[in-house]
Amino acid sequence: SQKIEQNSEALNIQEGKTATLTCNYTNYSPAYLQWYRQDPGRGPVFLLLIRENEKEKRKERLKVTFDTTLKQSLFHITASQPADSATYLCALVMNTGFQKLVFGTGTRLLVSP
Amino acid sequence: DVKVTQSSRYLVKRTGEKVFLECVQDMDHENMFWYRQDPGLGLRLIYFSYDVKMKEKGDIPEGYSVSREKKERFSLILESASTNQTSMYLCASSLWASGGASYEQYFGPGTRLTVT
Repeated sequence: SQKIEQNSEALNIQEGKTATLTCNYTNYSPAYLQWYRQDPGRGPVFLLLIRENEKEKRKERLKVTFDTTLKQSLFHITASQPADSATYLCALVMNTGFQKLVFGTGTRLLVSP
Repeated sequence: DVKVTQSSRYLVKRTGEKVFLECVQDMDHENMFWYRQDPGLGLRLIYFSYDVKMKEKGDIPEGYSVSREKKERFSLILESASTNQTSMYLCASSLWASGGASYEQYFGPGTRLTVT
């Protein structure tokens, strides 16, 4: 079965720096990869989607890369702010008919002022 | 904005009770999902539904059942609650994707269920 690995240790960075989060997967290459943000006590919120034939996707201060050779996605937040502190989940969409997601366990990001 | 609501934020039940968790979405989405989220295990799919009265097992369906009588409503049922079902339960919905597109899932706020 598909396995997804995200760094379970929290990432601590200073405001203004670029945060980089990693998502590694094993076995099959997904058709799509999504990133979600989750705040404590709330449901995840969709941020970005990247397809297997795309190398990079950007949205405002967010950038996602997808390397199917390395089986890895990197999620970058530039000019990070304390409000970016949250847990970030990656999710893979396998090429199935029902678009089920397989989620990683998430990485907690802490941005200090 | 898409809104997914869940019937309770917090719920405490006793072992052996039958538990109903309700989820309602207001954006006419075809797909609806139930997950549970546990520390270190992440989000795990229990059941999903792609149409009214249709259901498919996810990765951990044992001990659960679901019902979808109306498009906007998806219920999760714990037939006989056990302590190992203590968890955060999250409902989500999404559009049915066609042509290779993949739509994001919209999540509710979650129900923290404690079984004692």
